Amino acid sequence: SAVISQKPSRDICQRGTSLTIQCQVDSQVTMMFWYRQQPGQSLTLIATANQGSEATYESGFVIDKFPISRPNLTFSTLTVSNLSPEDSSIYLCSVEETGPGQEYEQYFGPGTRLTVT
Amino acid sequence: RKEVEQDPGPFNVPEGATVAFNCTYSNSASQSFFWYRQDCRKEPKLLMSVYSSGNEDGRFTAQLNRASQYISLLIRDSKLSDSATYLCATERGGTSYGKLTFGQGTILTVHP
Repeated sequence: SAVISQKPSRDICQRGTSLTIQCQVDSQVTMMFWYRQQPGQSLTLIATANQGSEATYESGFVIDKFPISRPNLTFSTLTVSNLSPEDSSIYLCSVEETGPGQEYEQYFGPGTRLTVT
Repeated sequence: RKEVEQDPGPFNVPEGATVAFNCTYSNSASQSFFWYRQDCRKEPKLLMSVYSSGNEDGRFTAQLNRASQYISLLIRDSKLSDSATYLCATERGGTSYGKLTFGQGTILTVHP
């Protein structure tokens, strides 16, 4: 499967600031996604990062709060803007690949642990 | 009702035991199904994709029942290293292609 890296791996930010998270894949992928995992919770999809067009956001997530860039097929960024303590979460990018049975399978990056003080 | 629901757990089993987790989904349009394993402070790792009615990989067996809208994961001969949180996920397909919905996870602890 593709090798996915994220930067930073963790950060502590003050409220009102923004954090930009980078996701780099070692091969070209069509589908990239951003998820959030709040403390003690499961994963929730934030948006689909579309190459060459605006991201597609899920209900409850908006572009002003979570702007996303996807300049090419190997890279994406997620910015979490105007931070509040409620934004403290792990943010993960994922990519979709074709598995051995020709099914589409999704793999996750190592995540970025954000703490907002 | 949540779109994907799992056994609440936690499950505490001895080494060598067989343990099974269930996961129900409410959206009948769901097309693909997955089990992920997540270790503490790590990202989810794909354990199994669930094809047609089910599939097996070593000690792990996943089954899909579309009529009753649930998937299950069976772990045989549990190892200490199987201790983790197990997440089920569904993909709706169509315009929701690639978008996974996760259950809340089931914690498994295998003890000596």
